[in-house]
Amino acid sequence: DVKVTQSSRYLVKRTGEKVFLECVQDMDHENMFWYRQDPGLGLRLIYFSYDVKMKEKGDIPEGYSVSREKKERFSLILESASTNQTSMYLCASSSPAGAVDTQYFGPGTRLTVL
Amino acid sequence: AQTVTQSQPEMSVQEAETVTLSCTYDTSESNYYLFWYKQPPSRQMILVIRQEAYKQQNATENRFSVNFQKAAKSFSLKISDSQLGDTAMYFCAFMKGDSNYQLIWGAGTKLIIKP
Repeated sequence: DVKVTQSSRYLVKRTGEKVFLECVQDMDHENMFWYRQDPGLGLRLIYFSYDVKMKEKGDIPEGYSVSREKKERFSLILESASTNQTSMYLCASSSPAGAVDTQYFGPGTRLTVL
Repeated sequence: AQTVTQSQPEMSVQEAETVTLSCTYDTSESNYYLFWYKQPPSRQMILVIRQEAYKQQNATENRFSVNFQKAAKSFSLKISDSQLGDTAMYFCAFMKGDSNYQLIWGAGTKLIIKP
């Protein structure tokens, strides 16, 4: 079974802090995604990556950056956390590149910014 | 731009009943895919069922089936013989055929199965 893990289930940070959310998948998937999930809004794509060191902006990239130094790991970075970034963050992966396939999700990180 | 609309924020049914969740979408694309994902309380999002737009036959996975009406741009999910474990948020999602695998999501429907 595909396993996607996220570094924390719950995280509380202060306004202005730099926040790192990490995601690791164990199935050699080329594609990895970061979403935020807010009630009534569904999931919104922040960034995605289709290969190591490759990234593309999603619908709401402002205030976020990402890093993919290794194929299995995709990190989301909040450069200076703000209260409006309080949300549930979901990581997903999929494969193979060049074909439509299922996205597999991690358990999510519920981030609270005070 | 594509949009996905789920008009039912919350539904509840008795165990063993059949329930249908609605989803409509807007697109000018001819090649696309549609998905239903399930997110149980405090658990991971998982794929329930998917439909390729070019296929006329409705997808079925055990107790889950879809009613895909391409002309009407409707993609509803039917759950037969509902079980307590079906309690979850259900999300409808759309993907263009050449989208770089980006999904466009609906707002979700919270489904509660009552014993």
